[in-house]
Amino acid sequence: EPEVTQTPSHQVTQMGQEVILRCVPISNHLYFYWYRQILGQKVEFLVSFYNNEISEKSEIFDDQFSVERPDGSNFTLKIRSTKLEDSAMYFCASRDSNTEAFFGQGTRLTVV
Amino acid sequence: GEDVEQSLFLSVREGDSSVINCTYTDSSSTYLYWYKQEPGAGLQLLTYIFSNMDMKQDQRLTVLLNKKDKHLSLRIADTQTGDSAIYFCAEKENAGNMLTFGGGTRLMVKP
Repeated sequence: EPEVTQTPSHQVTQMGQEVILRCVPISNHLYFYWYRQILGQKVEFLVSFYNNEISEKSEIFDDQFSVERPDGSNFTLKIRSTKLEDSAMYFCASRDSNTEAFFGQGTRLTVV
Repeated sequence: GEDVEQSLFLSVREGDSSVINCTYTDSSSTYLYWYKQEPGAGLQLLTYIFSNMDMKQDQRLTVLLNKKDKHLSLRIADTQTGDSAIYFCAEKENAGNMLTFGGGTRLMVKP
């Protein structure tokens, strides 16, 4: 069964450093998403991406965040200057026009 | 804004039925979902229901929707130890792109 793949599974970074979280969506899916879950809190929407541009973003997705589809298979989330409060599990998801969203297993980001 | 609420914890005995409840506030919710998260794993879509439906059954899973009360439930028949996980309720507007999740209900199944 096709699946969304995220790497790394766990990333530790120092405050102020840049991180890039990587996702390989299901091939032939056209809609891509990032969500995050701070420990003990709800899963929160960050951004959606379609046709090579952001289609929707939440208040959380401020200027320190960016997304990119650098090639035909990867979808990345970059956090420019990490803060302690960016520590969370980050989930990537993808779907096509006829399916619901499939989620990856998540990347646990720890900012120290 | 939209809000989705779930109870935190549910414990059942193996073989019993589990009922996980969810309430939501957005009257324009069109799609309602149940996701399952096992330890160390991602969010697995279990089932979903359109807002024009009252019930959907899929093998051991039954979803009930009370649109008037904005209440969604997931019933798992003959609950097994492998069903132990966190279950998330989520909603989406028809025109929207994003899912709004509840906080998750941790289901513990005792042998």
